[in-house]
Amino acid sequence: LAKTTQPISMDSYEGQEVNITCSHNNIATNDYITWYQQFPSQGPRFIIQGYKTKVTNEVASLFIPADRKSSTLSLPRVSLSDTAVYYCLVGVRSSASKIIFGSGTRLSIRP
Amino acid sequence: DTEVTQTPKHLVMGMTNKKSLKCEQHMGHRAMYWYKQKAKKPPELMFVYSYEKLSINESVPSRFSPECPNSSLLNLHLHALQPEDSALYLCASSQELDEKLFFGSGTQLSVL
Repeated sequence: LAKTTQPISMDSYEGQEVNITCSHNNIATNDYITWYQQFPSQGPRFIIQGYKTKVTNEVASLFIPADRKSSTLSLPRVSLSDTAVYYCLVGVRSSASKIIFGSGTRLSIRP
Repeated sequence: DTEVTQTPKHLVMGMTNKKSLKCEQHMGHRAMYWYKQKAKKPPELMFVYSYEKLSINESVPSRFSPECPNSSLLNLHLHALQPEDSALYLCASSQELDEKLFFGSGTQLSVL
């Protein structure tokens, strides 16, 4: 299983763009990269998933370089409600592999 | 309906009690999961069911016993737990194994 490494915590201010980078040096050819968001006392919530290059949805963008050994979650114009823990996961879709959460990044947004 | 419903939301039990956690989804998902999460730690995978069959057991102690009565329900039976088992227990489901996970809000368990 590919292991992920993320910063333990990050701080930013409302209205800023926040970029959280995840390292996954031993990512396998078939692995996808997925990000989840978790608020206190709630289950994690899916944010975005990608395989290569760039993926964008209504809440975030995911940038994946050609070597796929890292990925960056970009949150545009954050608000106080984006304060949460963000998890980067690497794994294969529809296989017998396991969805294992890494340590996560605790993002704090200030007014 | 895009929800995973877990009951109860809170549970306090003694070390000699037997209790069950329940999880329900009506999204037609064929994979269901139990995770355990301690405070300020990431969720830890416990069990995975695929098409109602146990697919993965992450070497969980036998005092935790999962059950999947049908494709919409997942139970976790608890017996003779230890205080260190106190945690948030999260249920999740996905369309197929290892696809996008949908989580419930969890059951906050305290073992006295």
